[in-house]
Amino acid sequence: DQQVKQNSPSLSVQEGRISILNCDYTNSMFDYFLWYKKYPAEGPTFLISISSIKDKNEDGRFTVFLNKSAKHLSLHIVPSQPGDSAVYFCAASPLVVSGTYKYIFGTGTRLKVLA
Amino acid sequence: NAGVTQTPKFRVLKTGQSMTLLCAQDMNHEYMYWYRQDPGMGLRLIHYSVGEGTTAKGEVPDGYNVSRLKKQNFLLGLESAAPSQTSVYFCASSSKTDTQYFGPGTRLTVL
Repeated sequence: DQQVKQNSPSLSVQEGRISILNCDYTNSMFDYFLWYKKYPAEGPTFLISISSIKDKNEDGRFTVFLNKSAKHLSLHIVPSQPGDSAVYFCAASPLVVSGTYKYIFGTGTRLKVLA
Repeated sequence: NAGVTQTPKFRVLKTGQSMTLLCAQDMNHEYMYWYRQDPGMGLRLIHYSVGEGTTAKGEVPDGYNVSRLKKQNFLLGLESAAPSQTSVYFCASSSKTDTQYFGPGTRLTVL
């Protein structure tokens, strides 16, 4: 049972346009959400996060939106650049007893930004 | 400041062989994690540690053991490797409420 779903395995966007990556989750106890970016042969790198008490978080060209009632998360990249071409993972976690987060990752969406 | 490093980068094992993957971090993080990534699947948590001398099971712990004897190191062991353990393994570390920082990964093939 996939608790975090990224239903689009791939996405192509023209340079300068908006990229929208989507993520759905099933566990209403999820408290904290992140997006990671991964280039080939490298580890994932943190991009942006949002806690369940917010509905939006912005960092430069990247904005994450959280719709708790729909259990839906989205990442907007504006404007998209060729260097944004990578695999993007969303991850979610409840706050566990030990005080740390045990993230459940989605399967990833491969974004290709066309020059 | 190297961040999170993993040794080795690549390894090929035969079924039944054992090996240990080493993760080291120089950020003084309390928490460390081992994940595996398989095609068409997200990263899945194998084991994690909330401090030196402590370990806990993640989502897919079977067939793996871990140890955290020093704060900066987290070892992942495979006692008897199976083809199903062919994967890319990522280590990560974090402070208590911070995001996780990942190493570059170890690509393991079990024949």
